[in-house]
Amino acid sequence: DGGITQSPKYLFRKEGQNVTLSCEQNLNHDAMYWYRQDPGQGLRLIYYSQIVNDFQKGDIAEGYSVSREKKESFPLTVTSAQKNPTAFYLCASSSGPLAGGPGPGELFFGEGSRLTVL
Amino acid sequence: GESVGLHLPTLSVQEGDNSIINCAYSNSASDYFIWYKQESGKGPQFIIDIRSNMDKRQGQRVTVLLNKTVKHLSLQIAATQPGDSAVYFCAENKGSSYKLIFGSGTRLLVRP
Repeated sequence: DGGITQSPKYLFRKEGQNVTLSCEQNLNHDAMYWYRQDPGQGLRLIYYSQIVNDFQKGDIAEGYSVSREKKESFPLTVTSAQKNPTAFYLCASSSGPLAGGPGPGELFFGEGSRLTVL
Repeated sequence: GESVGLHLPTLSVQEGDNSIINCAYSNSASDYFIWYKQESGKGPQFIIDIRSNMDKRQGQRVTVLLNKTVKHLSLQIAATQPGDSAVYFCAENKGSSYKLIFGSGTRLLVRP
């Protein structure tokens, strides 16, 4: 089945450690995104990539890094520089703007990765 | 700064009744709006979208209304079912940007 796969679903990390969250899609989408969700809050954009080998910072990129070496993959690294990394992380992809229309097109989300820093 | 927000954090409705979830936005330049549904522990799912050149759009049991004069967006769910219980987010987008700005969400609880 086509979709987005995030792993791991749950992750625990000690302070000072970097951790990488995986995101893979087989929807043949050009655009991919990483969002962070804190309890009782909406989604905030960390990084996004419109095409392979290109990515842009979102609203809360500090302490995070990404790569987009393959169309299917958009891993997110949470570095030790991220002051409050405990959160629910969501990856999404889209095919880009719909014909003649605005916006990124419909975003398809993965099931999320819950990171807890001990 | 400009943001997307919601009037009610929690909405409780009787099964079978209609639900109305509201959203206020402050960026008058936004031209595309989307509603997402998020069930507990899962990623958001697209429900319906609307462009700024429209006032109303209907889907299956859902209707989105856009009032650009007062910068207000609403999601109407007809004959609300237990499976509709979730958190609903509105999101806005401007122009050809790939960035969506999400509101903080409204939790919909359906009473049997």
